[in-house]
Amino acid sequence: AQSVTQLDSHVSVSEGTPVLLRCNYSSSYSPSLFWYVQHPNKGLQLLLKYTSAATLVKGINGFEAEFKKSETSFHLTKPSAHMSDAAEYFCVVSDLENTGNQFYFGTGTSLTVIP
Amino acid sequence: NAGVTQTPKFQVLKTGQSMTLQCAQDMNHEYMSWYRQDPGMGLRLIHYSVGAGITDQGEVPNGYNVSRSTTEDFPLRLLSAAPSQTSVYFCASSYSAILNTEAFFGQGTRLTVV
Repeated sequence: AQSVTQLDSHVSVSEGTPVLLRCNYSSSYSPSLFWYVQHPNKGLQLLLKYTSAATLVKGINGFEAEFKKSETSFHLTKPSAHMSDAAEYFCVVSDLENTGNQFYFGTGTSLTVIP
Repeated sequence: NAGVTQTPKFQVLKTGQSMTLQCAQDMNHEYMSWYRQDPGMGLRLIHYSVGAGITDQGEVPNGYNVSRSTTEDFPLRLLSAAPSQTSVYFCASSYSAILNTEAFFGQGTRLTVV
């Protein structure tokens, strides 16, 4: 069975400092992994995705994530936080077990950026 | 570039009323799905469809119906609204049901049942 665990429900950083949002997953098959961002009262926007190519994935707005199979992790990082990064972030796993292209969401990490 | 369009954006229902949340995509995507978002629980899958005429249940299907008569549209019906269905609902679509492709989301429908 697939599942996603986001290890922190809230993360607070100062503007200009690094961001680390942690995600662990379980999957019976070769998974695809995604990070989505949701700004207040908005829909979800794709930040980046891993689909079995390079393990270090670069996304939009300076975010990147590294797929580590041995650790079953897909942590999201950014070298320098910006005020506009304040949002809810979701780690998502998808694989092709019986039910096709289903997505399994983590419970989300709320990122606060302090001026 | 319309993408995934959901209507309405906001809705207030009385307990027992029924309504349909509309979802349309113009990307010729095969896979469509409905999620509900509740605080601290992420998004949970209600129903999904892998193509026109084919639907199936997700994690939390009770109290909801869906149909997929065309590739473009995937409406979600609340049969008899209950306060527990107060939530934000998101429709999503993906290019393929058999490849791990990204999902595109609508802007959401905020539903309150009183």
